[in-house]
Amino acid sequence: GAGVSQSPSNKVTEKGKDVELRCDPISGHTALYWYRQRLGQGLEFLIYFQGNSAPDKSGLPSDRFSAERTGESVSTLTIQRTQQEDSAVYLCASSQVAGLYEQYFGPGTRLTVT
Amino acid sequence: EDKVVQSPLSLVVHEGDTVTLNCSYEVTNFRSLLWYKQEKKAPTFLFMLTSSGIEKKSGRLSSILDKKELFSILNITATQTGDSAIYLCAVVEKTGANNLFFGTGTRLTVIP
Repeated sequence: GAGVSQSPSNKVTEKGKDVELRCDPISGHTALYWYRQRLGQGLEFLIYFQGNSAPDKSGLPSDRFSAERTGESVSTLTIQRTQQEDSAVYLCASSQVAGLYEQYFGPGTRLTVT
Repeated sequence: EDKVVQSPLSLVVHEGDTVTLNCSYEVTNFRSLLWYKQEKKAPTFLFMLTSSGIEKKSGRLSSILDKKELFSILNITATQTGDSAIYLCAVVEKTGANNLFFGTGTRLTVIP
């Protein structure tokens, strides 16, 4: 595919359940980023990968959040025991190399925790 | 503290008007500044700026960076209703993280 893809596009879950969000970056992009956008707020950095490694996890809001990346390709963001404040749009972006190059965003996953 | 501040927060103009969006930043080790247009969910890339004083243009959009005064502007001339969106400014620091620090954006509404 030409761009970054994310799935699902929308997810409604009950409080306390676990959810898994998927991101497929642009082929050949070594860097992958996860952001969160709550209603009416700016984009909030969560975590980034260079290859399969995550050098900076400082943006993860709590230990209920985790992410992994395999094959320098697909990444999954997992939220355990979801809370209502986790409701947001989760955006994934990729770039050729971390830092200097522009990031290309996927369409996002809208997560609603009821 | 906010590393990236955008102004105005929102702006309503008529088709054909020219607008200037502002982005000021405060980072320790600046690498680059990026502008994005956000409609619906996903931001789309507009410009990346790394050097002061060099204007980047794409159609009716242009942007310039001032690394001495720590700001950038995004100009849109002859605005169209399709320009209605949130315009996001983001800064990349020279740190291991290399993540983007976003401003809260400027919501532009272009009225026919």
